[in-house]
Amino acid sequence: QKEVEQNSGPLSVPEGAIASLNCTYSDRGSQSFFWYRQYSGKSPELIMSIYSNGDKEDGRFTAQLNKASQYVSLLIRDSQPSDSATYLCAVNGQGAQKLVFGQGTRLTINP
Amino acid sequence: EAGVTQSPTHLIKTRGQQATLRCSPISGHTSVYWYQQALGLGLQFLLWYDEGEERNRGNFPPRFSGRQFPNYSSELNVNALELEDSALYLCASSSPWGWATDTQYFGPGTRLTVL
Repeated sequence: QKEVEQNSGPLSVPEGAIASLNCTYSDRGSQSFFWYRQYSGKSPELIMSIYSNGDKEDGRFTAQLNKASQYVSLLIRDSQPSDSATYLCAVNGQGAQKLVFGQGTRLTINP
Repeated sequence: EAGVTQSPTHLIKTRGQQATLRCSPISGHTSVYWYQQALGLGLQFLLWYDEGEERNRGNFPPRFSGRQFPNYSSELNVNALELEDSALYLCASSSPWGWATDTQYFGPGTRLTVL
């Protein structure tokens, strides 16, 4: 079983709609959760971090965490074509490598 | 404040040669991480250095090695290059202070091409 799982996509969403990206993790002891955005050929850019159950909002982005279900999601409201990228979910590891990354979900926003 | 920097941006080598990639972390960060991202694939963890020591390495052969210098910059060496080593090599750093010590910030990467 993969430690951090994401649907690889591609996920296609019309411009202006809400994009919903999901991630599950296997280690119940995980404490820190991150979403990174990666444009093609570029390096990952940190979007949000979340540490407590519930929602955390930052502009058009909302991260949601449910530790009981071992589930973390990212919502992008009013999606723009510039949001088209691969979104990586990362979860803190057991000290061995600090963060474990999912394979990423490729998101395409259609004008 | 400057972010993580990496050099060179691009590197072209031939099979069997050695490649050296360099990374400077964000000022004040002591941990440096190296990842390999082959085309179309996810991030594969390579190495983690902290305070000059190798803390962990991923599932890569010994010809992938590195070190961290007293100023916390780091070097990744890949010996006996193979075609499948062609990838984007990413360096990230994290701070030892506060409660978000596992937040990693990435550099722009080095694109290694092995011919």
